[in-house]
Amino acid sequence: GIQVEQSPPDLILQEGANSTLRCNFSDSVNNLQWFHQNPWGQLINLFYIPSGTKQNGRLSATTVATERYSLLYISSSQTTDSGVYFCAVEGRSGYSTLTFGKGTMLLVSP
Amino acid sequence: NAGVTQTPKFQVLKTGQSMTLQCAQDMNHNSMYWYRQDPGMGLRLIYYSASEGTTDKGEVPNGYNVSRLNKREFSLRLESAAPSQTSVYFCASSQTGVGGYTFGSGTRLTVV
Repeated sequence: GIQVEQSPPDLILQEGANSTLRCNFSDSVNNLQWFHQNPWGQLINLFYIPSGTKQNGRLSATTVATERYSLLYISSSQTTDSGVYFCAVEGRSGYSTLTFGKGTMLLVSP
Repeated sequence: NAGVTQTPKFQVLKTGQSMTLQCAQDMNHNSMYWYRQDPGMGLRLIYYSASEGTTDKGEVPNGYNVSRLNKREFSLRLESAAPSQTSVYFCASSQTGVGGYTFGSGTRLTVV
């Protein structure tokens, strides 16, 4: 099946700093999603982004499908950004089922 | 704006006991999914239902059964719980080809 690798595995930032999280995938995909899991365990869909660039406030994401990677940018980080960020992809052969990476754990300190 | 509702939120079972995790969505999505999350493993797909009346195995289906009761509800059953099934279980739904997944708040299951 399709492989999803996220980097870095862990990241510690000071409040106000910017960061870039990366997601590499091993095959062509129908779609790609980014999720944030907050410290209480809730999974929130951030972006549905099979290709191109999207922005939502301080967060933006870019997927370059032809080169099989996606980037999540967090600008002016806040303590509430802490948690785990997951990238998940739907392979071309799937019924919209997502394969998840292992995540990037982000800690933003005041 | 309930979205995806899972019950229960917490459960402790003894080895060999059975239980059913319930999931309901109110967004009229056609697809529903069950994932488990274990430390360091990300989320792994157990079963999914692409539409009412259909179910299919995911990556880790052994020890589980599912029922797509209607378009809204998708339940996950553990017939004989084992300690290896200790995990956090998430239900999700989506409209195929349109937008992203919506997840429930999860069920933390411990099997002793």
